[in-house]
Amino acid sequence: DAGVTQSPTHLIKTRGQQVTLRCSPKSGHDTVSWYQQALGQGPQFIFQYYEEEERQRGNFPDRFSGHQFPNYSSELNVNALLLGDSALYLCASSLGGPSYEQYFGPGTRLTVT
Amino acid sequence: GEDVEQSLFLSVREGDSSVINCTYTDSSSTYLYWYKQEPGAGLQLLTYIFSNMDMKQDQRLTVLLNKKDKHLSLRIADTQTGDSAIYFCAESGASGGSYIPTFGRGTSLIVHP
Repeated sequence: DAGVTQSPTHLIKTRGQQVTLRCSPKSGHDTVSWYQQALGQGPQFIFQYYEEEERQRGNFPDRFSGHQFPNYSSELNVNALLLGDSALYLCASSLGGPSYEQYFGPGTRLTVT
Repeated sequence: GEDVEQSLFLSVREGDSSVINCTYTDSSSTYLYWYKQEPGAGLQLLTYIFSNMDMKQDQRLTVLLNKKDKHLSLRIADTQTGDSAIYFCAESGASGGSYIPTFGRGTSLIVHP
């Protein structure tokens, strides 16, 4: 039973660049949520995708966008990177839309220099 | 102030019990969670409790909820070195089917022999 997978594991980008992070949900799950975890902080909700649509969004600027594919996998795109975007980006999956039971992936560590 | 607060560090001896405390501010919180994050890993949902419950026990884990004081605790019996990790308290409401958790900053549990 495959868990949530994310790629890449680590990424280094320069300010102003754009980045795409990828997530495959746990087998059988159809809902993907993205979180940003800054160093020493708890995760903060970015947005959630279900049925290929953004269903909920946290307090993040439009530079953060996403997509969900028909196979339920998802991408997180961040444009015009800032130093403050350096963080661990976590993907979580669940079944049937919003749920209190989410399974998290190992995350992608993004460093912006 | 923060919506979910927890102490940052806890150090215990192997074999002792650990108690990690958390307070939250949202009186409409419906679900309260404890997550575990090991170095370099994503979040693992350890347990959750509904707001209409006072206590939940699951093997070595005991969760206590004082809804009046908005206080949540996680007790780990017979703490082992493998329990060393960061523990996150989180809460979510269910209004509108949201379930999006708000996390604390995490408590780093250090277990020494």
